Amino acid sequence: QKEVEQNSGPLSVPEGAIASLNCTYSDRGSQSFFWYRQYSGKSPELIMFIYSNGDKEDGRFTAQLNKASQYVSLLIRDSQPSDSATYLCAVNYINTGKLIFGQGTTLQVKP
Amino acid sequence: GAGVSQTPSNKVTEKGKYVELRCDPISGHTALYWYRQSLGQGPEFLIYFQGTGAADDSGLPNDRFFAVRPEGSVSTLKIQRTERGDSAVYLCASSLGQADQDTQYFGPGTRLTVL
Repeated sequence: QKEVEQNSGPLSVPEGAIASLNCTYSDRGSQSFFWYRQYSGKSPELIMFIYSNGDKEDGRFTAQLNKASQYVSLLIRDSQPSDSATYLCAVNYINTGKLIFGQGTTLQVKP
Repeated sequence: GAGVSQTPSNKVTEKGKYVELRCDPISGHTALYWYRQSLGQGPEFLIYFQGTGAADDSGLPNDRFFAVRPEGSVSTLKIQRTERGDSAVYLCASSLGQADQDTQYFGPGTRLTVL
């Protein structure tokens, strides 16, 4: 059973701080890793994807991947109240189309 | 450009009834996916189409669920003899269908409520 684990939270950070969201996965055959943001009552919105070990930066967001530890994280710098949402980690396996999602981490950014 | 669209946005039905949920993918996307999301959970994979054929239907929970994509574009998810446990948000996503490094974009979802 392929699993993706996230702490459901809520994770609460003050405005302007760095929010760190973590995700672990069980299958070493995992190929691609995605972070989606989901506002309450809305559908998931892609933030970032990462395929190779190391860091990938896009604006205030940095995704980090460590395949040896089966760990992927998302850092949000200068957190804003508008970043308050549920962040979903998703994993794709080689030669398959489906994404396996974690349960999501709820982030609260307090003004 | 237009994103993934889903209709209806909300569907309320009675236990035992038949429902159809429709998904219109992003133009040019050959791959289409159906997921189901219950409250407080991440989306759960149901079925994946590459073109007209179902490449992976391993997530369909039982034979009451069926999906088609006859012309390789619009897809319909069909649920027979609905049960209260089928209540969830049904999400559709589409992608270019590349073998690797493929990115899925989600539609707004259909909220199904079975009374």
